[in-house]
Amino acid sequence: QLQLQESGPGLVKPSETLSLTCTVSTGSISSRSYYWGWIRQPPGKGLEWIGSIYYSGSTFYNPSLKSRVTISLDTSKNQFSLEVTSVTVADTAIYYCARDLYTDSGSLFDTWGQGALVTVSS
Amino acid sequence: SYVLTQPPSVSVAPGKTARIACGGTTFGSESVQWYQLKPGRAPILVIYFDSDRPSGIPDRFSGSNSGNTATLTISRVEAEDEADYYCQVWDSSNYHAVFGGGTQLTVL
Repeated sequence: QLQLQESGPGLVKPSETLSLTCTVSTGSISSRSYYWGWIRQPPGKGLEWIGSIYYSGSTFYNPSLKSRVTISLDTSKNQFSLEVTSVTVADTAIYYCARDLYTDSGSLFDTWGQGALVTVSS
Repeated sequence: SYVLTQPPSVSVAPGKTARIACGGTTFGSESVQWYQLKPGRAPILVIYFDSDRPSGIPDRFSGSNSGNTATLTISRVEAEDEADYYCQVWDSSNYHAVFGGGTQLTVL
């Protein structure tokens, strides 16, 4: 059964770069059937899609975050990663990685990681 | 861009039926997905393409989409159904995924 696991620092200072990695088990991120996405949930708030990446490196980003976000993948390690630059306290959130079954109807996220809490604080 | 509106909370007694609405400007040809979130656990897709159920999701969960409103229906509600539920669509005009604000389902 496919499993995804987020990893990375739980504390980031304001103005620095947030970096997270998602390790995919029992499944290949090189599959042509899926994208791989990041979603976040600030404390007490709803879900926000950050972006998704295809095995070829093609990406979609949330327009509201696009200027600060980079999603990349490492097929040799079966991992994909997220970077958010110039973070503020507003970027404090649980960050989820997920498999994105991108179809003619757009994205849907059929398998998720448990999430990683990242706090932005000095 | 899309704005999806959900009621903040819904309460239901065990064994009864819960209905959670998700309102949009107009869904048009967009499909609606529903996710279940519980603290400390991986979110789960419970409905996709408006009304399809992934394998492993009980048939007590069903979905519909009519005009400007999509609805997640949970029949014969159980205590384990208590969770936050989010609807989601793909905004094909702006190429991004949009989530509703979420609904907290309380089982009385």
